[in-house]
Amino acid sequence: DVKVTQSSRYLVKRTGEKVFLECVQDMDHENMFWYRQDPGLGLRLIYFSYDVKMKEKGDIPEGYSVSREKKERFSLILESASTNQTSMYLCASSYRGNTIYFGEGSWLTVV
Amino acid sequence: AQTVTQSQPEMSVQEAETVTLSCTYDTSESNYYLFWYKQPPSRQMILVIRQEAYKQQNATENRFSVNFQKAAKSFSLKISDSQLGDTAMYFCASSAGGTSYGKLTFGQGTILTVHP
Repeated sequence: DVKVTQSSRYLVKRTGEKVFLECVQDMDHENMFWYRQDPGLGLRLIYFSYDVKMKEKGDIPEGYSVSREKKERFSLILESASTNQTSMYLCASSYRGNTIYFGEGSWLTVV
Repeated sequence: AQTVTQSQPEMSVQEAETVTLSCTYDTSESNYYLFWYKQPPSRQMILVIRQEAYKQQNATENRFSVNFQKAAKSFSLKISDSQLGDTAMYFCASSAGGTSYGKLTFGQGTILTVHP
């Protein structure tokens, strides 16, 4: 059974904290993605990685960075969390033209 | 750049009836894919149906079918014999092909409620 796992489902962080959201896939997929979901806006792409150590900015990269040191793991980093980053974050992975798999989401609240 | 628009924030339907969700898109890509995803309250994104743009035949998956009008850039989802379990948020999305496959552009979503 294929899986994209987001280890932290619910997080509460303080403004200014550094936050790491981890995503692991077990399908040897080349492409991995981080999306943010907000009411009325749908999902928006934050960052995309097409190989180890390779990354590309999505539509809303400001305030975020990413790390992909190993093929199976793609981390989203909030260097200094702010209240406007309170949201649900979804990780996904894919291989060429095949099924795109999503994780279960990480709910982040910044207070 | 790609854009996807869902103009129906909410829809409702009676159990066993048919409902159609609308989606329009715009893209400069010649090789692209269109998707409908379902997101129930659990928030897990579930692929409902996928259409490859170069295929003229409309995709179908059991009770779910699409009406793909390429020239009009329209991609509507028809759900037949609606069931209570179809209640969810539905997202229309597009992706370029090739190495950018999976970089999805989503619409705003349509909340579908199926009434008994």
